[in-house]
Amino acid sequence: GAVVSQHPSRVICKSGTSVKIECRSLDFQATTMFWYRQFPKQSLMLMATSNEGSKATYEQGVEKDKFLINHASLTLSTLTVTSAHPEDSSFYICSASGASGSVATLHFGNGTRLTVT
Amino acid sequence: GESVGLHLPTLSVQEGDNSIINCAYSNSASDYFIWYKQESGKGPQFIIDIRSNMDKRQGQRVTVLLNKTVKHLSLQIAATQPGDSAVYFCAERRYQAGTALIFGKGTTLSVSS
Repeated sequence: GAVVSQHPSRVICKSGTSVKIECRSLDFQATTMFWYRQFPKQSLMLMATSNEGSKATYEQGVEKDKFLINHASLTLSTLTVTSAHPEDSSFYICSASGASGSVATLHFGNGTRLTVT
Repeated sequence: GESVGLHLPTLSVQEGDNSIINCAYSNSASDYFIWYKQESGKGPQFIIDIRSNMDKRQGQRVTVLLNKTVKHLSLQIAATQPGDSAVYFCAERRYQAGTALIFGKGTTLSVSS
């Protein structure tokens, strides 16, 4: 079964509203989670690294005030897309690694399809 | 001279054929590589990995080859099946430690029966 769960799987929102996406590790604690976005027929682009109990580390070109990340517990990271616009429509995917922190135990969620109208 | 496999955005094969998917990575300091399979509307699924101190690793029906000289990675799928149809990505670990992965361009594999 899935070890990383994302919710919602799909969301449609109006332009100017904010949307929160949750990423949960189901049977392990994840001190670090990663957020990616993927446009149609393109690769996954790393947006930010979410660290439990501290500020997220954003990749170059990713607006931290637009994509708010909160990692308040060892099993939950949230990504909030603030004041969403149609160009924010994308597939957002999170990943988390197990207790060993090894890439070999890195698991991906099934993604969230965001459509901004 | 040595040939370098070109990245193709799409690959179409017949069921039972062997498939070879190529990937060029960017950072010579990357020490760990993974191949992922992504089906439509889903997150990436781990296929096989290889460390930079190896040049070949085999799994069930899959083999990964690593050529550090030209920064090239390939995934070979034996006896390709319709269920193998998906988009395949290679990913490299950017740092010596940690788990941030940088994904390469994907290849869409279509298997016809």
